[in-house]
Amino acid sequence: GESVGLHLPTLSVQEGDNSIINCAYSNSASDYFIWYKQESGKGPQFIIDIRSNMDKRQGQRVTVLLNKTVKHLSLQIAATQPGDSAVYFCAEGGGYNKLIFGAGTRLAVHP
Amino acid sequence: DGGITQSPKYLFRKEGQNVTLSCEQNLNHDAMYWYRQDPGQGLRLIYYSQIVNDFQKGDIAEGYSVSREKKESFPLTVTSAQKNPTAFYLCASSIAGGDAGDEQFFGPGTRLTVL
Repeated sequence: GESVGLHLPTLSVQEGDNSIINCAYSNSASDYFIWYKQESGKGPQFIIDIRSNMDKRQGQRVTVLLNKTVKHLSLQIAATQPGDSAVYFCAEGGGYNKLIFGAGTRLAVHP
Repeated sequence: DGGITQSPKYLFRKEGQNVTLSCEQNLNHDAMYWYRQDPGQGLRLIYYSQIVNDFQKGDIAEGYSVSREKKESFPLTVTSAQKNPTAFYLCASSIAGGDAGDEQFFGPGTRLTVL
């Protein structure tokens, strides 16, 4: 909701720079990972997903990297734009389509 | 125009009252979910349903109830037994409720405030 960005870690970037948002996941048996974007007062929107048999997956301006050794996931946004300002959070597949969500990172893009 | 709708967007309730949040989807998805979102925390699963007429408790089901009488509808009732109901509630759906690996689509959310 409107207050979801409060108390979250914030990444501040300049417009046009690349952004990297990190996520540590908890379950080494998770085999599906998703990144969501949530704008203020709205529901989360799917950005990109990756399965555990992959290390990297690219979309339009976004790349997700998966390091299973250290249970780490990252989202890279190229040429960050003001419209990218939002809270970003990762989720891991916990079986029977149950997803476990991280708390999120707030991305602030400055002109 | 397919999607998930939640109503109302804002809801106010007096302490001691039950309230029902609506969630409808026309995506023909089998699975539906209810999450609660609080500031600084990840989404927490309240209830989920993998198929019509069946639902399971999530991680924080106490004080909540659901029904799944129709495939497209999954209403959530916040009862007076829920001690801290003020939160942003999100409904989601996915194609199937089987093995993990299906994207969940979210509705716009309902902000519930207890006065």
